[in-house]
Order: sequence, then structure tokens, then C-alpha cells
Amino acid sequence: GESVGLHLPTLSVQEGDNSIINCAYSNSASDYFIWYKQESGKGPQFIIDIRSNMDKRQGQRVTVLLNKTVKHLSLQIAATQPGDSAVYFCAESGMDSSYKLIFGSGTRLLVRP
Amino acid sequence: DTEVTQTPKHLVMGMTNKKSLKCEQHMGHRAMYWYKQKAKKPPELMFVYSYEKLSINESVPSRFSPECPNSSLLNLHLHALQPEDSALYLCASGTGPNTEAFFGQGTRLTVV
Repeated sequence: GESVGLHLPTLSVQEGDNSIINCAYSNSASDYFIWYKQESGKGPQFIIDIRSNMDKRQGQRVTVLLNKTVKHLSLQIAATQPGDSAVYFCAESGMDSSYKLIFGSGTRLLVRP
Repeated sequence: DTEVTQTPKHLVMGMTNKKSLKCEQHMGHRAMYWYKQKAKKPPELMFVYSYEKLSINESVPSRFSPECPNSSLLNLHLHALQPEDSALYLCASGTGPNTEAFFGQGTRLTVV
């Protein structure tokens, strides 16, 4: 299930199930979006990106969906594995053609064996 | 070489100390970034260098002073920090606007 409170929102899933992590972005002018994975003690690692002229993009075991109408981004992970346990951040860019890459609040994914 | 290398990995400094964080990349990227990350929070943008020139300063206090000596190196000079500045400092590089940024492993800074 999903919980929100003083800590990072956490999504707990059974190994082998699919995971869906959601993100609401703030700026309707943003035209480039990235999902990053951050493991404990490490820097963020690129997973997948999508530009605003698309609504879906698939990678290996991951799919990103973009709904510009409601400013919502989601990351779907198929057949979740223990190695997927990490904190996931969405990031947005392109508000003013600058180099600004702004991160949203994260979601912790816990994979139960 | 597809890495962004940050040194040191850990740093403990007193409030009167002067120290520097270093970042290096050899991917030919022309954009380099400093982010600050507190526990359980997302990375917060501090500075962006584009073609070795400071292009974004997100109203960071002057006790943090960035420097880009060349296209491969990025420094963050620290002076008179406060305990609340303790955080993970992340460096990143990228090829340009609206592209992914590649992150280093960060420097864990503790101000005592």
C-alpha cells in the first residue's frame, strides 16, 4: 500500500508484481521529464525520460506515462525485483529553455521477497 | 569514461573552517550542476554552469562559492558554514538544456 506522512511516501510491493509510482509536476511549461532512482548512499541514477510531445515511452521493464492535462507523470516497473528497492524521483525541465532540472518529492519503493 | 567523480566522499568541518568540494567529468559535457540534498528530501538545485560560465544561482548564500576552472572540473568552496548546511552535496553534468543530468555519488558534509 501507499502511505504519506512526515516521511517519504512509501510503496510496498511483492516481488514479481508491477509497481506504479506517481508524480505531480508543477509547471505546465515544462517540456522534458526524467525519472531517477536513488539507492541509499548513492547519487540519483537515470531510469527513463520523456518529452512533452509524447504521452508514453517504454524502456526495459519500465514505462513512463505523461498526462499533460492534469500535469501527472507515472513510472511503471514490471515484475518488480528486490534490486528495484530505492527512492524514485521525477524531475522536470525546460520551463524557460534553461538548464534548470527541478526534482519533485520522492517515493520510496520497498520490494517484499 | 561515463562517470562524474566527486571528492571527498565524506567531510566533517567546523563552522570557522574553509574547505572545497571537487567534481570532475570527462564526458565532454558543457553543463555542470551543484545540488544539495537533505535526508528524505529531493535534491535542490544550487548552481548551474554552462560553458564554464555561471548561468543559474538559486539564491544560494554567499558562504557557498562555486568555481568552474575548466570544462571538466567544478568546485564548491565552503566558508563559515552552519550546522544546518550539513547535507549530501551532489554534482551532475549534462550535454545541454532539456537533457538528462548524470550525477556523482555525492559528498556527505557534516558541519560541527
